[in-house]
Amino acid sequence: DGGITQSPKYLFRKEGQNVTLSCEQNLNHDAMYWYRQDPGQGLRLIYYSQIVNDFQKGDIAEGYSVSREKKESFPLTVTSAQKNPTAFYLCASSTPDRGDGYTFGSGTRLTVV
Amino acid sequence: QQQVKQSPQSLIVQKGGISIINCAYENTAFDYFPWYQQFPGKGPALLIAIRPDVSEKKEGRFTISFNKSAKQFSLHIMDSQPGDSATYFCAARRAYKYIFGTGTRLKVLA
Repeated sequence: DGGITQSPKYLFRKEGQNVTLSCEQNLNHDAMYWYRQDPGQGLRLIYYSQIVNDFQKGDIAEGYSVSREKKESFPLTVTSAQKNPTAFYLCASSTPDRGDGYTFGSGTRLTVV
Repeated sequence: QQQVKQSPQSLIVQKGGISIINCAYENTAFDYFPWYQQFPGKGPALLIAIRPDVSEKKEGRFTISFNKSAKQFSLHIMDSQPGDSATYFCAARRAYKYIFGTGTRLKVLA
C-alpha cells in the first residue's frame, strides 16, 4: 500500500541535543511538507520541498533544518536552537498538479526531557 | 490575508444530529478548500474538498457549502455518529501550500 511513513512515533530529546525525524513516502509525490501541531494552534508549516535538492522555509523554520536528497525522503532535524520543540510533528506529501490535497503521515510526538 | 478562521473551537452534538463547522478566509487567491479529519495520535486524513466554482459538494453524510462572495465555507455532518468524534480542520490552498484553520474538536454523544 502506498503511503507516508514517519518514524519514530515517539521521540525524547535532551536539552542541547539535535534530533532527526524521518519521513518516507512511496506515493511518487513531488512535494513534501513538515508541519508542527500544538494544541489550539492548528498546523503550522515548518519547511516544504517541491522538487529534489530544493526546499523553502515555512512560517516557523527557525531552529529546524531539512534535506531533500531523494524524492521519497524528507527528514527534519530539530536543532538545539529550537527553544520549545515539544510538539506533534506531521509530514505530508502531495502532487500539486492534481490538487488532491495532502496525504499525511501518522506523526512523531517529540518531547523534551 | 493568509489566515483561515475556524469556528467553533469545540462542538458537542447528540447522536443523529447535525454538526456544523464554519471557516472564513480573506485571500481570494485560494483555489482549493479541503476538510481534514484527525483522530487522537494520528495524522489528518482528507475528508472532502471543494473548488471555488462550486457552491456545494456532498459525499455521503458529509457536505461542504461554499459561499464565494462571503468568503466562507462550512462542513455539515448529517446524522452524526459517535465514530465521527474527532478534530476537524478546514484548509485553503494557494501556490501548492495549505493554510489550516485552528481545528474544531467534535464530540458526538451516544
